[in-house]
Amino acid sequence: GEDVEQSLFLSVREGDSSVINCTYTDSSSTYLYWYKQEPGAGLQLLTYIFSNMDMKQDQRLTVLLNKKDKHLSLRIADTQTGDSAIYFCAETSGNNRLAFGKGNQVVVIP
Amino acid sequence: KAGVTQTPRYLIKTRGQQVTLSCSPISGHRSVSWYQQTPGQGLQFLFEYFSETQRNKGNFPGRFSGRQFSNSRSEMNVSTLELGDSALYLCASSDSLTDTQYFGPGTRLTVL
Repeated sequence: GEDVEQSLFLSVREGDSSVINCTYTDSSSTYLYWYKQEPGAGLQLLTYIFSNMDMKQDQRLTVLLNKKDKHLSLRIADTQTGDSAIYFCAETSGNNRLAFGKGNQVVVIP
Repeated sequence: KAGVTQTPRYLIKTRGQQVTLSCSPISGHRSVSWYQQTPGQGLQFLFEYFSETQRNKGNFPGRFSGRQFSNSRSEMNVSTLELGDSALYLCASSDSLTDTQYFGPGTRLTVL
């Protein structure tokens, strides 16, 4: 089955880089996703990576995937106050059913 | 394109009542999935509909049901509400090519 783990809280100074980590257990995962949730809002898709890739860069976001260790990370460069939110990683095995981690709250200190 | 829309945004019900939530997917998306988000259990998959048929189902009791219409709009229904059903209910739509799910703003259900 799918089981996604995330650490819970990260505090970072504005302008620094943030790194959020996630581990998953389903080796058949085809896509892995990062979503952002701001207070009172739904989930905003940030980026995703296909399981045969090691890295994906999208502007300030860099996703690293280590399939051997089933480890996924999201790096946010030049973190801004608008990046304060809860970040969820999620995986799917192609059945259109996302399994989410418990989320990682990022607080950006001005 | 307009994003996923959900109505209503907020609902207050009492135990024993039933509730219907609505979701309109992104134009052209035929798959609609529903998730429940609570502080204790996090985000949990409820079910997925594709072309008016339930294609996947999570581990929720039969009080939770859904349907999809020919225009891909979807509704979910919760009957005999319990206090523990208080949650944010999120709907997501995806296209057939990438299966990437795009979420709506959610419906916040409070059961008193």
